[in-house]
Amino acid sequence: TQLLEQSPQFLSIQEGENLTVYCNSSSVFSSLQWYRQEPGEGPVLLVTVVTGGEVKKLKRLTFQFGDARKDSSLHITAAQPGDTGLYLCAVLNTGGFKTIFGAGTRLFVKA
Amino acid sequence: EAQVTQNPRYLITVTGKKLTVTCSQNMNHEYMSWYRQDPGLGLRQIYYSMNVEVTDKGDVPEGYKVSRKEKRNFPLILESPSPNQTSLYFCASKLGGWPGELFFGEGSRLTVL
Repeated sequence: TQLLEQSPQFLSIQEGENLTVYCNSSSVFSSLQWYRQEPGEGPVLLVTVVTGGEVKKLKRLTFQFGDARKDSSLHITAAQPGDTGLYLCAVLNTGGFKTIFGAGTRLFVKA
Repeated sequence: EAQVTQNPRYLITVTGKKLTVTCSQNMNHEYMSWYRQDPGLGLRQIYYSMNVEVTDKGDVPEGYKVSRKEKRNFPLILESPSPNQTSLYFCASKLGGWPGELFFGEGSRLTVL
């Protein structure tokens, strides 16, 4: 069982549609990060959330940290082909020395 | 340009033939780490280093070695590769602090026959 469960595993949508992906756990975290990985590249940090209930916006992407700091969601408005990629959530372990990743949601946006 | 550089990007080798994947960062980061990425399993940490001469095991260290003799370099060594080490490997670094932003290399795809 993974510490971070991401859903859905795979999502294929048309350009212009909205979507939400989720990152869930039974553990409480002091912070949570979202990374995006494009084909052939390493992951790149999108956002860090640290406060329960926090909402952050990055252009058409909206990130929310759950009130209990156990889960997070990423909502994309009017998806574009450039949003295609693997979206990974990540947390630091208790000691702060390890970053633990979920398995990711693979998003494909068709033009 | 700030970056993490891995070499080689692609490698096909045979069981038992020692190999080293190099990783170098030019951002003066203290923390460096190696991950492997496998379908359905996400990124799993192999080893990490908090600073020069300080290394520790991640979640999947078996079959791997690392060293951190210089701040900028963190090579991953496979002494006797086996087919189950076929994977996509990523090196990452970050400045100290919490939680910090990991900067990743472009990845090294390794196939062990």
